[in-house]
Amino acid sequence: QKEVEQNSGPLSVPEGAIASLNCTYSDRGSQSFFWYRQYSGKSPELIMFIYSNGDKEDGRFTAQLNKASQYVSLLIRDSQPSDSATYLCAVITYDMRFGAGTRLTVKP
Amino acid sequence: EAQVTQNPRYLITVTGKKLTVTCSQNMNHEYMSWYRQDPGLGLRQIYYSMNVEVTDKGDVPEGYKVSRKEKRNFPLILESPSPNQTSLYFCASRGAHGYTFGSGTRLTVV
Repeated sequence: QKEVEQNSGPLSVPEGAIASLNCTYSDRGSQSFFWYRQYSGKSPELIMFIYSNGDKEDGRFTAQLNKASQYVSLLIRDSQPSDSATYLCAVITYDMRFGAGTRLTVKP
Repeated sequence: EAQVTQNPRYLITVTGKKLTVTCSQNMNHEYMSWYRQDPGLGLRQIYYSMNVEVTDKGDVPEGYKVSRKEKRNFPLILESPSPNQTSLYFCASRGAHGYTFGSGTRLTVV
């Protein structure tokens, strides 16, 4: 079992819709959770981090964490074509582990 | 501006010719790491360093070396590159809220 798993996609949503990206992790001792956005050929950039169960909102982005289910998600409201990218879930246990990423396409 | 500077951005080399990819951070972070990224495999950690003179292997260390003589610098060394090391490489520096990545080095070994 991979330490951090994501649906590779591609996930396609129309402009203005909500995009929902999901991630599960295997280590119950994981403490910190991150979402990175990566455009093709570019470096990953941090969008959000979350440490506690529940929701954390930042603009159009909401991260949701459920430690009991070992599940973290990212919601993107009012999706824009510029949101089209690969989204990486990352989890810190003793080190930071990345999922393989979900490719999101937002169609105008 | 807080950043991780990685050079070169692009590099084409021949099998067996030693090369070094430089990485420098200006955030005074103790923890630095090197990753390679290949299609379908995501980011895989090559080596990491928890502080000056403290380095350790990641998941895919074979064929690579690193050094950490100063806190800000963490170069990646390929003593004898091979075609299977063709990849996109990222240096990263870890602070309180996750990693800051360098801009990447696209390496091609022919």
